Amino acid sequence: KAGVTQTPRYLIKTRGQQVTLSCSPISGHRSVSWYQQTPGQGLQFLFEYFSETQRNKGNFPGRFSGRQFSNSRSEMNVSTLELGDSALYLCASTLTGHNEQFFGPGTRLTVL
Amino acid sequence: QQQVKQSPQSLIVQKGGISIINCAYENTAFDYFPWYQQFPGKGPALLIAIRPDVSEKKEGRFTISFNKSAKQFSLHIMDSQPGDSATYFCAAATLETNAGKSTFGDGTTLTVKP
Repeated sequence: KAGVTQTPRYLIKTRGQQVTLSCSPISGHRSVSWYQQTPGQGLQFLFEYFSETQRNKGNFPGRFSGRQFSNSRSEMNVSTLELGDSALYLCASTLTGHNEQFFGPGTRLTVL
Repeated sequence: QQQVKQSPQSLIVQKGGISIINCAYENTAFDYFPWYQQFPGKGPALLIAIRPDVSEKKEGRFTISFNKSAKQFSLHIMDSQPGDSATYFCAAATLETNAGKSTFGDGTTLTVKP
């Protein structure tokens, strides 16, 4: 069974640009959560989607947004990039009725 | 507001020794406490998790001890091996309302010396 996949794995952008990251959950998993990982702030919850609806949201500015498609694949978008947005963005999927989150390898975003 | 505090930040243990990582939480609504292991270049992977209705859970060399009254839980790695060298994160979640939302500790970098 394939794990959670994230594309692209690495991304370099400049300040002011926008970026879209993609996450494909494990087959059959309908919940997808996104986290930002930085050395200074650790793992911070961004948002969670379930059946194409945002179910939970963390404390991030509106520049961070996401969506989920009918096949459970999810995208997150960051607009007007800032230097502080440089981080590893992780997504995790969960099977309905279960607790375990399965993480992907992450997308390393560098903002110059 | 940091809801899950993890210590120590880094830990060096000799092969065969016991590694102990501690976490404390504030939100009494948390009812699911997982530990994750992360290797460089990889996403976190679930090691072991506990619910507050038990005080201890053991899986192989990994044990979680849970103290509900103190709002603390810890990970013990017995017979630590160099392959255990990784970053460990504790986390907490409220399953009923926030199953997909976990609050993480800041992580502990474990180095096991051969």
